[in-house]
Amino acid sequence: TQLLEQSPQFLSIQEGENLTVYCNSSSVFSSLQWYRQEPGEGPVLLVTVVTGGEVKKLKRLTFQFGDARKDSSLHITAAQPGDTGLYLCAGRNFGNEKLTFGTGTRLTIIP
Amino acid sequence: GAVVSQHPSWVICKSGTSVKIECRSLDFQATTMFWYRQFPKQSLMLMATSNEGSKATYEQGVEKDKFLINHASLTLSTLTVTSAHPEDSSFYICSARLLSYEQYFGPGTRLTVT
Repeated sequence: TQLLEQSPQFLSIQEGENLTVYCNSSSVFSSLQWYRQEPGEGPVLLVTVVTGGEVKKLKRLTFQFGDARKDSSLHITAAQPGDTGLYLCAGRNFGNEKLTFGTGTRLTIIP
Repeated sequence: GAVVSQHPSWVICKSGTSVKIECRSLDFQATTMFWYRQFPKQSLMLMATSNEGSKATYEQGVEKDKFLINHASLTLSTLTVTSAHPEDSSFYICSARLLSYEQYFGPGTRLTVT
């Protein structure tokens, strides 16, 4: 079973600060997705990255897929309380329809 | 966007009874649906992959006779927890694949077995 390690596991910062969440693996993925999950709800897809080195921006969120397609990062600029939640990365292997989920990063933005 | 619904959103049942959870893709057809389980403060664990018209593929350690999955149509998959026990209490989430690499999740079903 491939493992996707996310760091940090927990992060609590003040509103307005910047942060980066990392998703690392020893496996190569054909694509990688980032989700945010609120308590008691299902994960909501934020972005999908497919090409090595790809960078995608979603308002204040910047996602990057590593050149070797083994890792990814999520950078949030000027964090807001609405960004609070559990962030999950999930990778898909070549020829495999299953997603492997990361260990998760629980983010709390303090007003 | 792609919408996946689950019903019920929460259910409480007595030990020994069976519970059925439905997962529907509302605005697209999904040949493949997935069932996950999530324990408090943990990530999602894949239980099984469900393909329309064929038997589900279960992950290692998941009892197929206990967690019955039926994917009878392109928009509906069901998970039945048979002879439920308190240790089956968990948050069950389904997802449906829209494109070759995009997966959308339902809102989850909280199962509590007393």
